[in-house]
Amino acid sequence: KQEVTQIPAALSVPEGENLVLNCSFTDSAIYNLQWFRQDPGKGLTSLLLIQSSQREQTSGRLNASLDKSSGRSTLYIAASQPGDSATYLCAVYQGAQKLVFGQGTRLTINP
Amino acid sequence: GAGVSQTPSNKVTEKGKYVELRCDPISGHTALYWYRQSLGQGPEFLIYFQGTGAADDSGLPNDRFFAVRPEGSVSTLKIQRTERGDSAVYLCASSASGGANEQFFGPGTRLTVL
Repeated sequence: KQEVTQIPAALSVPEGENLVLNCSFTDSAIYNLQWFRQDPGKGLTSLLLIQSSQREQTSGRLNASLDKSSGRSTLYIAASQPGDSATYLCAVYQGAQKLVFGQGTRLTINP
Repeated sequence: GAGVSQTPSNKVTEKGKYVELRCDPISGHTALYWYRQSLGQGPEFLIYFQGTGAADDSGLPNDRFFAVRPEGSVSTLKIQRTERGDSAVYLCASSASGGANEQFFGPGTRLTVL
């Protein structure tokens, strides 16, 4: 059974810092991996989708990497801003049909 | 274009009652997914539709839960004899054609069972 783990569970950093969120998964036989953002009381906003054949994806200040062989992905956020404060969720596509999520990292950027 | 919409946004019901939660996917998306998110947890898969048929319902917790998508667009998640443990946020997502294509999520329905 696929298990997805995100470390740390919570992170607080001052504005302007670069930071890395970690995601690990137990079964490397995944299709794609997706990073989401969730604001309190809201749904999920897709940030980046990394296809299984790719090693990284970039969107603005965000960069996500994928190493299937080691079962790891990282989300790098450059020059963090208070508006980046949210919960970040990592999810892997298992069986090409459904997403298996981690528990998320709750990020707080302090002005 | 419009994203995934879900109604109601909040539903409060009493233990033992029946509830229906609705999802309107992005127009043209053939794949539709339901997930459930408990407080402080990541979402958990419930069921996946490809067109009108449920291609994978392995995540439904028991036979009190049922979902339909009769015309291949709108879907309804139905919960019978609700229990307090059913309280959670129910999320719906759609994608262009399933098969690990990017999923787009709605805002969710927060269900509270008293």
